[in-house]
Amino acid sequence: EVQLLESGGGLVQPGGSLRLSCGASGFTFSEYTMAWVRQVPGKGLEWVSSIHGGDGVTYYAGSVKGRFIVSRDNSKNTLYLQMNSLRVEDTALYYCARSLSGEYSLWPYWGQGTLVTVSS
Amino acid sequence: DIVMTQSPDSLAVSLGERATINCKSSQSIFHSPSSKSALNWYQLKPGQPPKLLLYWASTRESGVPDRFTGTGSGTDFTLTISSLQAEDVAVYFCQQFYTTPSFGPGTKVDVK
Repeated sequence: EVQLLESGGGLVQPGGSLRLSCGASGFTFSEYTMAWVRQVPGKGLEWVSSIHGGDGVTYYAGSVKGRFIVSRDNSKNTLYLQMNSLRVEDTALYYCARSLSGEYSLWPYWGQGTLVTVSS
Repeated sequence: DIVMTQSPDSLAVSLGERATINCKSSQSIFHSPSSKSALNWYQLKPGQPPKLLLYWASTRESGVPDRFTGTGSGTDFTLTISSLQAEDVAVYFCQQFYTTPSFGPGTKVDVK
C-alpha cells in the first residue's frame, strides 16, 4: 500500500524558512516523480514543485521559484521542500503526491498534508 | 502558462439527479503522442486530500464509481455525475498536465 506522510509544517514569521519532509513507503520511491501541491484553506489547489525520480530534474511554479528548493533522498525514501523567504501568501496545507507512472503530473496518491502558517 | 477556468462556481442538485461541471483551458491540451487530452479531475472533501477521479480526460481511476464520467477534448471538458449521491458533496477541480500543472478554481457541489 502506497503511503505518504508529510511533516515539518508550523508557524513561521514572514521572511523565515521551513523544511518540509515527506516519507514514502509501499513502492519503489526512486522510480517515481514526486510533487508538492498546496491548498490555501477553504480555497483552491496550486502545484508548487516536482522532482523526477531518476535524474532528479526539478520544476517549480513561478510563485515559488528562487525561494523554494525541492530535493529527494532515494536511499531514505524521503522527499523534501526547503522553503525560504516565506511570505504570508505561502500559508497553506502542503501535500506531497506521487505520480501514477512516468513523468506525467497526475496524482492518485497523496499524503494527509502538513500546515504551514506564515504570520507575524 | 495555461489558465484553467470552471463553471459554474457552485451548483446544487437533487439526490439522484445529474450534475455537470465544465472546465476550459486557455489553449489546447491535446497531447499528440498519446492522442488524448492531458486533463485530470479531482474531488476534494474537507479534511481529506484530493482524490483523483479521472485522468487523460476520461479514464476513470481505479475504484471510482461509474457514475463519474469525463468527456471533452482540446480546450473544453465536462465532468458528469450521472446520479448524485450524498457522498458526492465536495469541491471538484480540473487540472491540466500538458505543461507545468495548473488547476481550475473549483466547483462546489451540494445537495438541493
